[in-house]
Amino acid sequence: SQKIEQNSEALNIQEGKTATLTCNYTNYSPAYLQWYRQDPGRGPVFLLLIRENEKEKRKERLKVTFDTTLKQSLFHITASQPADSATYLCALDPRGGGFKTIFGAGTRLFVKA
Amino acid sequence: DADVTQTPRNRITKTGKRIMLECSQTKGHDRMYWYRQDPGLGLRLIYYSFDVKDINKGEISDGYSVSRQAQAKFSLSLESAIPNQTALYFCATSDPMGGLASGELFFGEGSRLTVL
Repeated sequence: SQKIEQNSEALNIQEGKTATLTCNYTNYSPAYLQWYRQDPGRGPVFLLLIRENEKEKRKERLKVTFDTTLKQSLFHITASQPADSATYLCALDPRGGGFKTIFGAGTRLFVKA
Repeated sequence: DADVTQTPRNRITKTGKRIMLECSQTKGHDRMYWYRQDPGLGLRLIYYSFDVKDINKGEISDGYSVSRQAQAKFSLSLESAIPNQTALYFCATSDPMGGLASGELFFGEGSRLTVL
C-alpha cells in the first residue's frame, strides 16, 4: 500500500541547533514533495516544494533534500529558535497542482531556549 | 481578513444531526478541497472540486457530501453525524501548476466538530 511516514515521536532540540525531520514514502513516485508547518489549532502553512529532479532546496534557514532512490526527504531548520516549535507535515503531490495531495501525520518539534 | 474562511470554527452536535461546514475564499482559485485531520493519521482528503461543475470524491467520502455553490464557496455536509466523524476539518484551495505556481495548498483555520 502507499504510505507516507514521519517520525511520530516529538523532536526536542536546543535553541541554535539544527533540527532534522524525516519523511519516508513507499509505493509512490511523486513529481513533487512539499513541507508544511502547522501550529496548534491552526491550518497548515506551506513552506517549501521540491521537485523530483531537484536534490536540494533552500529558503532562509530551511533546507529540504529529496532522494527518490531512498524514497526519502529530509527537512532541516538551521539555527533553530523557540518560534520554530510546531508540527511539520510532509506531503506528496503526485501530479502537481495540488491534485489529491497526500499528507504524512507530521512530526512535532520543540525548540528549547 | 483570512483568504480562506471556515464557519463554524467549533461545533458540538449529537448523533444523527445534519451538519454543514462552510468555506469561502478570496484567492480566486478554482480548486477547492475538504480534508479531515485526526491525531496520528494526518490530513485525509474527503472531496475536491476543480470548478463549480466538477466534484470528485477523495479518500474518505462515505458519510459526507459537498456543494460548490460558486467559485468562492465550497460546503461540506454530514447528513447524519456519527461520533467517529469527530475531527478537525480543513478547507483548502490551490492554483493549477504552471509558471511559477508552486502547487501549494492554502488552508483555512479549521472547523472542530464534536459528535456526541
